[in-house]
Amino acid sequence: GAGVSQTPSNKVTEKGKYVELRCDPISGHTALYWYRQSLGQGPEFLIYFQGTGAADDSGLPNDRFFAVRPEGSVSTLKIQRTERGDSAVYLCASSTTGSGYTFGSGTRLTVV
Amino acid sequence: DAKTTQPNSMESNEEEPVHLPCNHSTISGTDYIHWYRQLPSQGPEYVIHGLTSNVNNRMASLAIAEDRKSSTLILHRATLRDAAVYYCILRRGAGSYQLTFGKGTKLSVIP
Repeated sequence: GAGVSQTPSNKVTEKGKYVELRCDPISGHTALYWYRQSLGQGPEFLIYFQGTGAADDSGLPNDRFFAVRPEGSVSTLKIQRTERGDSAVYLCASSTTGSGYTFGSGTRLTVV
Repeated sequence: DAKTTQPNSMESNEEEPVHLPCNHSTISGTDYIHWYRQLPSQGPEYVIHGLTSNVNNRMASLAIAEDRKSSTLILHRATLRDAAVYYCILRRGAGSYQLTFGKGTKLSVIP
C-alpha cells in the first residue's frame, strides 16, 4: 500500500483482557517503530525493529507489553492484562535509510 | 536527547506566512533538526529536516541560525489544512532512529 496501515482503528476492551494491534508498514521499509500517545502529549517511543529483530525495546513500559515482527514486514503489538492506564493512541511508523518516518493513523485503545 | 523549546500555541491568518520558532540551545554538532506535524486524528507527518544550511521543500522552509541554537519553520502561505501541532525534534546523527517528541506548537489558522 501507499502508506502505513494500522488495524483496528479503534479498539475498546475490558480491563484485564488481552489485545493485539497490527501494523502494516510501507513495502521495503526495514525499520519499524511503535509509539504511544496520550491525550495532549506528544508521541512516546515504545520499540524499534530493524528487520525481524527488536533493536531497542527500552520504551516498553512493563512486561505486559510485547511486540513481534516475524517476517520483517507486518508487526503486532501485544498487551496482556490491560489496564485503564493503557488507554491511548498507539502509533506505528516505518522508514528506510535517510528518509523521515511515515506514521500510520494509529489505533485508539480504550480500556474500560 | 537534547531538549527543544517551542511556544504552546500560535495563530495565523489564512494565506499569510507563518514562522514557527524552536530553541535548542544544547544542540550538539551531530544533531539533525527535524520537524513533524500532526493533524487532528492523524499520525505525525514528516515536514522537513536539516543540519546546518537552510532547507526548502514543497511543504516548507527551514531556517537554521548560524550558531544552530535555534531554528524556524516557515510556511509560506498558510492554509486551513496547515492547522496542526508542529513538533521540533533533534535527532542524533544520521543513523539515529529514535524521535523524542515534546508537546509541540498548536497552530491555528484563521479564515
